Amino acid sequence: NAGVMQNPRHLVRRRGQEARLRCSPMKGHSHVYWYRQLPEEGLKFMVYLQKENIIDESGMPKERFSAEFPKEGPSILRIQQVVRGDSAAYFCASSPLPGTEAFFGQGTRLTVV
Amino acid sequence: DAKTTQPNSMESNEEEPVHLPCNHSTISGTDYIHWYRQLPSQGPEYVIHGLTSNVNNRMASLAIAEDRKSSTLILHRATLRDAAVYYCILSPISSGSARQLTFGSGTQLTVLP
Repeated sequence: NAGVMQNPRHLVRRRGQEARLRCSPMKGHSHVYWYRQLPEEGLKFMVYLQKENIIDESGMPKERFSAEFPKEGPSILRIQQVVRGDSAAYFCASSPLPGTEAFFGQGTRLTVV
Repeated sequence: DAKTTQPNSMESNEEEPVHLPCNHSTISGTDYIHWYRQLPSQGPEYVIHGLTSNVNNRMASLAIAEDRKSSTLILHRATLRDAAVYYCILSPISSGSARQLTFGSGTQLTVLP
């Protein structure tokens, strides 16, 4: 059973470009969570999704950020018009049920130049 | 959300036991106590969780105080690979709330050879 797969592992974008981060949850997991870790800081919750539904997006910045988890395919975290402050490690986690152990991916390290 | 307090850093010698403390004096009756760790440049990794009783698994033991206001993660024989940031996190089991992990600053464990 493969773990949570995130790609790409490293992503470099120029200011103003779009960044798309992908997360394939573990097999059988229908709950996905995105977290962001800024340099030298702890992880901060961004959004919680189930298949085709956003359950809680209380941690998402109000502009430029969006997330989806379609019926088929990976969950996508999309950042439009990236700025230098978006440079961070973005982690995805999945779980089979809410309130159970969450498994994290290796993260995508976004660098905005 | 109930908050946890952990020492910023701890040191241990290799092959000796390590006791990582966590205070959570405002814990509610439905909060589980979770421990995750994050190795350098990796995503967080689940270690153990419990509600009221002490718990053991292949990675560690969790000792929970009788009043649940504090807990201790016990690594029975520290290895160099246990060097990581350890996070103590409270998470409600309510099915009506989106499950999210609130990561604090954690305890940086250094294992000395």
